[in-house]
Amino acid sequence: SQQGEEDPQALSIQEGENATMNCSYKTSINNLQWYRQNSGRGLVHLILIRSNEREKHSGRLRVTLDTSKKSSSLLITASRAADTASYFCATVSDYKLSFGAGTTVTVRA
Amino acid sequence: GAGVSQSPSNKVTEKGKDVELRCDPISGHTALYWYRQSLGQGLEFLIYFQGNSAPDKSGLPSDRFSAERTGGSVSTLTIQRTQQEDSAVYLCASSMTGRGTEAFFGQGTRLTVV
Repeated sequence: SQQGEEDPQALSIQEGENATMNCSYKTSINNLQWYRQNSGRGLVHLILIRSNEREKHSGRLRVTLDTSKKSSSLLITASRAADTASYFCATVSDYKLSFGAGTTVTVRA
Repeated sequence: GAGVSQSPSNKVTEKGKDVELRCDPISGHTALYWYRQSLGQGLEFLIYFQGNSAPDKSGLPSDRFSAERTGGSVSTLTIQRTQQEDSAVYLCASSMTGRGTEAFFGQGTRLTVV
């Protein structure tokens, strides 16, 4: 079953702008992860945030986690055409990795 | 190996035939996942293997689906008597321990049932 729900479903931005997407989930988690998928094939891990962390950075990525609201956000700063992809949040409860439906991001040159 | 390897990359089969999809995880990874992704959709969990423990098969959609993992390494997902609704991309992932660690995905097998 899908645990995370991403919002918005699709996002179109100009190169250089920031992209923000949100993820809400229902049950308690061990950690939350974000993945990127290009062209409908394999997913690539971007960042992991533990349940006791509130914010994490990795390069141009910033992830926040609010366990009281059961939500997370992913911010991509200074977007590039190569950031065009689908982004998925995945919640981890015990061992199970459950994915949402994803946000499709299009970065226009 | 260098990454998770799945074969074949693409498979077209006739309705009613059986298919086998293969996944070679990263060496040393004890956890292995299978997911299914229909066009434009999220990932649907199918099955999880962890070491020598009994697999979690709770996501298998019907008894036509089965999977095994031999020697704690290579896994095969078998779909019997394929139906058109089985058409999807089947993704395999492995992780070091499976306990919330990063998952590494293969490129998937695109299955088309005609």
